[in-house]
Amino acid sequence: DTAVSQTPKYLVTQMGNDKSIKCEQNLGHDTMYWYKQDSKKFLKIMFSYNNKELIINETVPNRFSPKSPDKAHLNLHINSLELGDSAVYFCASSPSGIGGETQYFGPGTRLLVL
Amino acid sequence: GQNIDQPTEMTATEGAIVQINCTYQTSGFNGLFWYQQHAGEAPTFLSYNVLDGLEEKGRFSSFLSRSKGYSYLLLKELQMKDSASYLCAVPSEGFQKLVFGTGTRLLVSP
Repeated sequence: DTAVSQTPKYLVTQMGNDKSIKCEQNLGHDTMYWYKQDSKKFLKIMFSYNNKELIINETVPNRFSPKSPDKAHLNLHINSLELGDSAVYFCASSPSGIGGETQYFGPGTRLLVL
Repeated sequence: GQNIDQPTEMTATEGAIVQINCTYQTSGFNGLFWYQQHAGEAPTFLSYNVLDGLEEKGRFSSFLSRSKGYSYLLLKELQMKDSASYLCAVPSEGFQKLVFGTGTRLLVSP
C-alpha cells in the first residue's frame, strides 16, 4: 500500500499554462506539506496544512495555491507557470505536525516548464 | 531562524566507513533528522536525535552534540546501494517546518 502518493509523476508543460498536482496520504496523518526541490537538490518547504487548515506559507508566489479538501488530500495548483518553476515537488505528511515527528514523503512530481 | 551546513559531496569505497557532518544554528532546538535520498526518489527517514550522544541503528549511527550545534551520520561497511544524498534537517519551533541542509551526495565506489 502506498502511504503518500502523488500524481502525476512527470509533468511537462509550456510557460503560462496552469497545472495541478495531487497528493493523497492513507496514513491517517493530520498534517501535510508541499516541498520544492530545485536543480541543486535543495529541498525547501512551501506550505503545510493541519487538518485542512493552512499553517505554513513560506513566502511562495501567489501563483501557487494549495487546497486541502480533507486531511488526507493536499493539492497544489500553479497558475501562469514560469521557467523557474521547473523542479521536483514533494508532498509529505506527519501525524500531527508538532515536535520531532518523522515526515513521510511522496514519490515526487517532476515538473518541467518549457 | 535555522541555518544548516553540510559538505556538498563525499566519496568512499565499498566496505569502508564514512562520516557525514552537519552543523546547525537554530533559535529553538527540536531535534535533528537525517534523511536518505536516492537519485530520482523521495527522501526517507534515517534517524532522529534529540539528546546528546550516539544512536546506533545497524550499519548507520547518528551523533548529536547540542552544545556544539553539531551532528554526524556514520555509515559502516559501505555498500554500493549507500550511494545517495544524505540530508540533515532541523524542525522549527511550534508547528513543524523541517529546514533541510543542501544535502551531502555520497558516492560509493567498488
